[in-house]
This record gives sequence, C-alpha cells and structure tokens, in this order.
Amino acid sequence: DADVTQTPRNRITKTGKRIMLECSQTKGHDRMYWYRQDPGLGLRLIYYSFDVKDINKGEISDGYSVSRQAQAKFSLSLESAIPNQTALYFCATSDPKWNEQYFGPGTRLTVT
Amino acid sequence: GENVEQHPSTLSVQEGDSAVIKCTYSDSASNYFPWYKQELGKGPQLIIDIRSNVGEKKDQRIAVTLNKTAKHFSLHITETQPEDSAVYFCASTFSGGTSYGKLTFGQGTILTVHP
Repeated sequence: DADVTQTPRNRITKTGKRIMLECSQTKGHDRMYWYRQDPGLGLRLIYYSFDVKDINKGEISDGYSVSRQAQAKFSLSLESAIPNQTALYFCATSDPKWNEQYFGPGTRLTVT
Repeated sequence: GENVEQHPSTLSVQEGDSAVIKCTYSDSASNYFPWYKQELGKGPQLIIDIRSNVGEKKDQRIAVTLNKTAKHFSLHITETQPEDSAVYFCASTFSGGTSYGKLTFGQGTILTVHP
C-alpha cells in the first residue's frame, strides 16, 4: 500500500461549491504539507503542519483552509471554489530528522 | 523569502546524451538543495540532494553541483535513457530553526529523452 494517499484523485466541481481534499499517511511522520502545482509555476506551498496542534500558512493560503485531524490525516478545504483554483494538489510528509519529503499521487481538481 | 529560478523549462535530448538543468536561489542562508523527479501521474520523488558543505555529489548517472558563491546549483544526467523522461524540480531550504522542512521549489523542467 502507498505510504501517502490522497482522495479523491480527480474531482470536477462548480464555482462556489465547498470541497475537501483528504490526505492520509502511514509513515508515522509528524510533518505534513499541502502544495499546489500549476504549469510553469512549480510547486507552491499552501499550508503546512509540524504536528497535530500546529498549523501554518504557506505562500498561497488565501481561499484555502486545513484541518489536522490526527497525526496521519491532513485535509485541505476550498470554502467556495473558483476557477483559478483549478490545479493539481499534492500532499506530502516529512520526518523532522530528515529533509526528504514524501508526496502523495496528487488530486486533479477542476473548477468550472 | 526564498526565490528559486529553474532553467530551462523544457529540454529535449537524444538517448545517450547528457542533460543539464540549472537553478539559482536568492537566500544566502539556504543550505539544503534537493532535486525531485515527477513521472506522469505520480507525485514528485527525491532523486538526489546536496548540502552547502559539499560542492558535488554523484549517484550513478546523476550528479548535482553547488556553487554557493554564485548561489546556483545544477543537476547533471549522463547517458540519458527514455525512462529519464519526466518533470524535474529543484528546491532549496534552510535546514534548521523554524523554517526546517519548508522547501521552495523551482518552476520545473520537462525532460524528454528521444530513443
């Protein structure tokens, strides 16, 4: 089984709808991240959490919120989706002792 | 904050040729520089990294070089193979303190290796 899983893998939604993307990990890592990938812009950090009680904004947090339900679960919400939030979203985890980040397979979100 | 510029955005080579991708960073405090490979339909995966106390690191056909004075680092792939075709991302961070683990990524390079 994959160490970092994301659900759903694909989602099409309409403008104004609320949507939640979920991430689960079995690596036992405290640190979790949400990134957005757009062509030509690389990976941009939306939110990150260094433990269950710690939530921090990344460089592009406007329009997004997160919830760290447990060490293994980190959810990203779009309260009112807009078309420019159409992108590929990745969850990642890391161990505080090491720098390597482990990425999930991604969620392709389309907002019409 | 840190800014990472990556070039080229696309790179096309023939099988067996070498490929070089370059990145520059802005924060002189950055001391950890990983490279990630993203295959189609998958998340990025770490392929090699380098720390600021080292100028070069090799792992089989891939190598990374770092010039701290010029604030740039490069990925070198020799004897390219079709399975090297992917999107490559460079990244940087200061490995220490409260920013530990927050990577700043480059824009990505689409590498295509033609058989």
